[in-house]
Amino acid sequence: AQSVTQLGSHVSVSEGALVLLRCNYSSSVPPYLFWYVQYPNQGLQLLLKYTSAATLVKGINGFEAEFKKSETSFHLTKPSAHMSDAAEYFCAVSGGYGGATNKLIFGTGTLLAVQP
Amino acid sequence: DTAVSQTPKYLVTQMGNDKSIKCEQNLGHDTMYWYKQDSKKFLKIMFSYNNKELIINETVPNRFSPKSPDKAHLNLHINSLELGDSAVYFCASSTGPQETQYFGPGTRLLVL
Repeated sequence: AQSVTQLGSHVSVSEGALVLLRCNYSSSVPPYLFWYVQYPNQGLQLLLKYTSAATLVKGINGFEAEFKKSETSFHLTKPSAHMSDAAEYFCAVSGGYGGATNKLIFGTGTLLAVQP
Repeated sequence: DTAVSQTPKYLVTQMGNDKSIKCEQNLGHDTMYWYKQDSKKFLKIMFSYNNKELIINETVPNRFSPKSPDKAHLNLHINSLELGDSAVYFCASSTGPQETQYFGPGTRLLVL
């Protein structure tokens, strides 16, 4: 079975500060991992994904995430927060190569607030 | 230019009614999905179709019936709506199983 845990349902940072959103996963097969962002009243937009290539994945809007198998983590970071980064962020896992299913298992989300 | 579109965007209806939500993708993808996002923002897959064939059917009440008339469309019909069906329903598509899923803007359903 696969699962995702996002630590911290709410994270608040100051504009210009480092953003760190935590995600730990559990998977019985090599996983594919994703970060999606949801702006208010909108759909989900893919930020980045890990599919067993480079462990450091760069995404859109200056975000990146590092896959650490030993820690079963896939934390999302951005060096300098911008007001426009305020949104809900979801980490998700799928079966990956050899996995039996293509469904995305989502974490519970982290609401990022950016203070001026 | 919308990649994955859903209609309607908002749906307010009475308990017991039957309603449908439509989804269309113009990406040429073979796989489509329905997800439900509850009031706590938790997202859970409901169904997935690959080349018009149902491949994922989670534990969803049989009042929910997906229909895929062709690869570009996946509609969701809900019978006898209940208060607990109030949620945001997202459609998504991908080039195939295991590939990146692209989401529509969501349909906000409110059952009164």
